[in-house]
Amino acid sequence: RKEVEQDPGPFNVPEGATVAFNCTYSNSASQSFFWYRQDCRKEPKLLMSVYSSGNEDGRFTAQLNRASQYISLLIRDSKLSDSATYLCVVNRGGNAGKSTFGDGTTLTVKP
Amino acid sequence: EAGVVQSPRYKIIEKKQPVAFWCNPISGHNTLYWYLQNLGQGPELLIRYENEEAVDDSQLPKDRFSAERLKGVDSTLKIQPAELGDSAVYLCASSRQGTEQYFGPGTRLTVT
Repeated sequence: RKEVEQDPGPFNVPEGATVAFNCTYSNSASQSFFWYRQDCRKEPKLLMSVYSSGNEDGRFTAQLNRASQYISLLIRDSKLSDSATYLCVVNRGGNAGKSTFGDGTTLTVKP
Repeated sequence: EAGVVQSPRYKIIEKKQPVAFWCNPISGHNTLYWYLQNLGQGPELLIRYENEEAVDDSQLPKDRFSAERLKGVDSTLKIQPAELGDSAVYLCASSRQGTEQYFGPGTRLTVT
C-alpha cells in the first residue's frame, strides 16, 4: 500500500459544478499537508496548505481529518481553467521532514 | 523574487552516457530537493539537502546517481551511466525549512 493514495480519476465535470477529491495517508506521524496543482507538462505549483481547522481560498476549501487520516479538496463553481492534476503532499516528521506526494487526481472541466 | 532555475530543460542521450542537471534554488531557501517524476505519477524524492548536507538520500540509486550541493546554494544531479529506465522528468524544488516547496520547471530526460 502506498503511503499517500489518491483516486486518479479522471473526474470530468461541467463548468459550475462542485467537485471533491480525497487523499488518504498511512503514517499517523504526518504533520503537515498541502495540495499542489500540476498542469500538463508543467511543474507542480502550490495550491494551498491544509490546516487542522480547515481553510478556504476563494472557491477552494481544504479539510484535514486526522482521525481518519485523510485530506480533502473541494472546488466550487468549477472553471475551465481548473482542469489540471491535483497532487496531495504529506510531510512526515519535524522541520523539513520527508515529503510524500500522491500520484494525483486529474480533473477536466468541460463547457 | 526569482523562482527555482533548472537547466537544461530537455536532454536526449544514448544509454550508458553520463548526464548532469543543474538547479539554483530560490534565494534564502536552505532546503533543496531533487525529485524524479514519471508520467502519471507524483514526484518521488531522490535526495533532500539542508544547506550543504544531504539529510535524506535513501531513495537515490547510489550505484549510478550522485548529487552535490557544495556551497549550500546550487546543486548538481548526475547519472552515470544512464539507462533506458531513467527517462523521466527531474524536478528540483526548494523551501525554507519545514515550509511549502517551490518547484523549478524540470529537466525532461530521454534515454535512447
